[in-house]
Amino acid sequence: DAKTTQPNSMESNEEEPVHLPCNHSTISGTDYIHWYRQLPSQGPEYVIHGLTSNVNNRMASLAIAEDRKSSTLILHRATLRDAAVYYCILRDWSGGSNYKLTFGKGTLLTVNP
Amino acid sequence: DTAVSQTPKYLVTQMGNDKSIKCEQNLGHDTMYWYKQDSKKFLKIMFSYNNKELIINETVPNRFSPKSPDKAHLNLHINSLELGDSAVYFCASSQGGRSEQYFGPGTRLTVT
Repeated sequence: DAKTTQPNSMESNEEEPVHLPCNHSTISGTDYIHWYRQLPSQGPEYVIHGLTSNVNNRMASLAIAEDRKSSTLILHRATLRDAAVYYCILRDWSGGSNYKLTFGKGTLLTVNP
Repeated sequence: DTAVSQTPKYLVTQMGNDKSIKCEQNLGHDTMYWYKQDSKKFLKIMFSYNNKELIINETVPNRFSPKSPDKAHLNLHINSLELGDSAVYFCASSQGGRSEQYFGPGTRLTVT
């Protein structure tokens, strides 16, 4: 699986936007970029995924660089409930199904009131 | 309604014992997984089942044996528990191998 690099931790203030970066310089053409998050004492939770175009859903937005070597997860207005570890994961969809998520260390997001 | 549930939530046991963790999903998914999160918080896939067929067995000791009686259930049986088995075990499910995975709340296993 292609590797991703994320900052160990980031801090934000409540109701402000948060931009969580992820570098994936060795991404292949068939790798999708997925984001999951893990709130304290809970299981991971799917956030968003994309291939080339920017994506929006009710939880977040995903901005993907034109060369796809990096991406940014955007939380438009951080709340205390968004404090979690955020994982950027590449999933290769070529040649059939991909049945596993390979988690890295992720970014610990702290949200200050 | 809980989408992916696990029992028990906490499990404390002694070395050498055999224990099971149960997982059930009511999402109608055909693929289920077991992940292990160790004390350093690294999450790693252990097993994946698709339509009750083992798809992934990620170099897990054969003391760990998953059992899938039907598509909605994937249980994890662990024989001869060791101290290093202490971790949080997460069950997950998805529709097929490519879609997003839904995780259970986890089972914290402590081996003393």
